[in-house]
Amino acid sequence: EVQLVESGGGLVKPGGSLRLSCAASGFTFSTHTMNWVRQAPGKGLEWVSSINSYSYSIYYADSVKGRFTISRDNAQNSLSLQMNSLRAEDTAVYYCVKEICTGSWCYGPGYWGQGTLVTVSS
Amino acid sequence: QSVLTQPPSASGTPGQRVTISCSGSSSNIGYNSVNWYQQLPGTAPKLLIYANTQRPSGVPDRFSGSKSGTSASLAISGLQSGDEADYYCAAWDDGFWVFGGGTKLTVL
Repeated sequence: EVQLVESGGGLVKPGGSLRLSCAASGFTFSTHTMNWVRQAPGKGLEWVSSINSYSYSIYYADSVKGRFTISRDNAQNSLSLQMNSLRAEDTAVYYCVKEICTGSWCYGPGYWGQGTLVTVSS
Repeated sequence: QSVLTQPPSASGTPGQRVTISCSGSSSNIGYNSVNWYQQLPGTAPKLLIYANTQRPSGVPDRFSGSKSGTSASLAISGLQSGDEADYYCAAWDDGFWVFGGGTKLTVL
């Protein structure tokens, strides 16, 4: 069974930094693209970043480009999101999301963790 | 403002069939497949439909998806009170994933 457990959320001041982690289990982590998706309180879903299996294809939403860095450690089955220069508008629940694949085809965000709340406030 | 356009709300009575639309453009829905997600109150989103029409194991066949041109739809038949949730569509758009703004489904 796919399990994704996020950690590292909390309260941080504007301009501060935070590092989120996602511990993955129940599947072969090293062969799957992983994503971070966030949801501001009372708002919809916003894709943040994706990283492919060996970290050579990395994408960011324009809203976080230059401030956030996604990375992964396939030996430790873990995904990370380093968030710098945080703003109030970054306040959200951050979800770690595994892609869904059938056979050799993959179709984007599929399996979601429970999320970790990041609050940016003075 | 979301790249993909969904109606903010939809409603139906138990047993009824409801559809939720998702409108995009040639760079997202027109070129790539669509996923649908269900988010029950207070929980993480759950994949409902992927690749326009495919259901992950465990998703009832009351849920179905379709796509035509730059639009997609989610249909829910035999509506149940437990279907009351927010529903989101998503598609790849040339370097990033885009989501619809979400549709809140109310079961009357």
